[in-house]
Amino acid sequence: DAGVIQSPRHEVTEMGQEVTLRCKPISGHNSLFWYRQTMMRGLELLIYFNNNVPIDDSGMPEDRFSAKMPNASFSTLKIQPSEPRDSAVYFCASSLGGLNPNEQFFGPGTRLTVL
Amino acid sequence: AQKVTQAQTEISVVEKEDVTLDCVYETRDTTYYLFWYKQPPSGELVFLIRRNSFDEQNEISGRYSWNFQKSTSSFNFTITASQVVDSAVYFCALRGAAGNKLTFGGGTRVLVKP
Repeated sequence: DAGVIQSPRHEVTEMGQEVTLRCKPISGHNSLFWYRQTMMRGLELLIYFNNNVPIDDSGMPEDRFSAKMPNASFSTLKIQPSEPRDSAVYFCASSLGGLNPNEQFFGPGTRLTVL
Repeated sequence: AQKVTQAQTEISVVEKEDVTLDCVYETRDTTYYLFWYKQPPSGELVFLIRRNSFDEQNEISGRYSWNFQKSTSSFNFTITASQVVDSAVYFCALRGAAGNKLTFGGGTRVLVKP
């Protein structure tokens, strides 16, 4: 079975450019999570969705960040405009959500470098 | 607020030694869930175990074992007879009773030398 799929795996862009990260969760999972990992701040939850609806976006750093989940099999995280401090590894994860405390399965991550 | 502390930032051992990773958590929830994840050098996060707060039985899976002590708010992880392939960063995480949010500790880097 395919795990969580993320694209691109690596992205290098210049400051001010728009960046879009993509995620396909595991089929049948109804919760999707976006995390950011940096040396300074570790793993941080940015936002998560249940049944395509954003539930908690308190981790989104600022208005430059936005996330969408138009259907159960696709989500995007967009940064516009990007800044060098956005450089990080961005992980998408999915789980069987709702009240069940099921484990989250992570994608391979997108390593973003903003020059 | 929830918090997970992994006081050990890095542990270096020689192959076949045992290594124990500490995890201390804080939560006001009476029901909560604890997790361990492994992040090998390749970068992906691999789920290892989930433990419910109402189940204090320790668990063993091969060379891995977990010691859950509710009285001290700890959920420690031991690798027995470590191998080079165990070299990775290990994260402890906590989820409260409501919602799906995982709070991660800072991670412990384990380096197993041959």
